[in-house]
Amino acid sequence: AQSVAQPEDQVNVAEGNPLTVKCTYSVSGNPYLFWYVQYPNRGLQFLLKYITGDNLVKGSYGFEAEFNKSQTSFHLKKPSALVSDSALYFCAVRDSNYQLIWGAGTKLIIKP
Amino acid sequence: ETGVTQTPRHLVMGMTNKKSLKCEQHLGHNAMYWYKQSAKKPLELMFVYSLEERVENNSVPSRFSPECPNSSHLFLHLHTLQPEDSALYLCASSPSDRSGETQYFGPGTRLLVL
Repeated sequence: AQSVAQPEDQVNVAEGNPLTVKCTYSVSGNPYLFWYVQYPNRGLQFLLKYITGDNLVKGSYGFEAEFNKSQTSFHLKKPSALVSDSALYFCAVRDSNYQLIWGAGTKLIIKP
Repeated sequence: ETGVTQTPRHLVMGMTNKKSLKCEQHLGHNAMYWYKQSAKKPLELMFVYSLEERVENNSVPSRFSPECPNSSHLFLHLHTLQPEDSALYLCASSPSDRSGETQYFGPGTRLLVL
């Protein structure tokens, strides 16, 4: 079955520290992978995506994600967290019907 | 931020009411989507329209009825809803419904069914 897992409901990081938000996937064929962010009372905003090419993808607001085919993972990372990064983060993968399968989301809390 | 707009932003309705959610995209996209977002759950894809034709209907109850009069507008007509339908309803658009196209989301309509 095609699926996306975000194993952590919440991640707490001190401001200035590196952050990682985890995502693993299961899909047939080559994966198209996405990260979105949702701030309170807002819709989802696109951060970055992997389709092909370099395994390290750079996106908006200083975020990056590393595609690891052997571990079927696409973890979101940032070298130095900001308080303003606090939000809900969603990982998604395109399925064989060209639609997105979404993770349940990870709440990221950055403490000053 | 203003590429996809949704109205109303908040809606409270009784189970016997009829209401409609509206979505408009100003991005020149050909595909539009309705999603349901409930707390701590993955987004649920409800409907997909491509070039004004419905291409996906994920077993959504008939009390939800979509309408896509043109490629820029998408409606979700609601009637005889249940309290469990209370959620954030998100509209999105993308250049097409194929390949690795990025979807762009509106701010959502927060729906409460009493």
